[in-house]
Amino acid sequence: GAGVSQSPSNKVTEKGKDVELRCDPISGHTALYWYRQRLGQGLEFLIYFQGNSAPDKSGLPSDRFSAERTGESVSTLTIQRTQQEDSAVYLCATRTRMWYGELFFGEGSRLTVL
Amino acid sequence: KNEVEQSPQNLTAQEGEFITINCSYSVGISALHWLQQHPGGGIVSLFMLSSGKKKHGRLIATINIQEKHSSLHITASHPRDSAVYICAVRSGQGAQKLVFGQGTRLTINP
Repeated sequence: GAGVSQSPSNKVTEKGKDVELRCDPISGHTALYWYRQRLGQGLEFLIYFQGNSAPDKSGLPSDRFSAERTGESVSTLTIQRTQQEDSAVYLCATRTRMWYGELFFGEGSRLTVL
Repeated sequence: KNEVEQSPQNLTAQEGEFITINCSYSVGISALHWLQQHPGGGIVSLFMLSSGKKKHGRLIATINIQEKHSSLHITASHPRDSAVYICAVRSGQGAQKLVFGQGTRLTINP
């Protein structure tokens, strides 16, 4: 597609349920980042994928969070046993492999945990 | 202390004013991004800098690698420039994790 596509755009779930968020990168973009933005706060790094290299998971806040990506394809972010503090907008950004590649952001998935 | 500090946190100005937003960082970087986040939440990349200066229309971004400082300038500001402006740095060779500043909320009044 022309841009970074995220789904769902909005998700309301009950505390304790699992959720899965999806990011479709721009074709050819090998680098993919997941971020979280809580209401009124800045962007918080979660995880980074670069092609087939081992991902940088250093930003994942707990073991309830995991993300998958195969090669340069779609990525999914899974949050297990959701808590109210997980409520946030989850943003995906991608860029080309080149170090000078511009970042392109998706519109985000707004997660509300009741 | 955060690795990336932006100032000011909030800025209100009148239409037509010259705007400067500053970003200081404490780590070695390979690139610095200026991003714009609209009130609806969408984020767009304005600039990616590794040295010197770039200009797009009324926007100018500069970086001083030695001083670990970057500035974003807006000339002839307009209400549609109202947004949150975010500085983000990529550090290390083949930079991976992006580190973000907290953002500067800019409001331009007509």
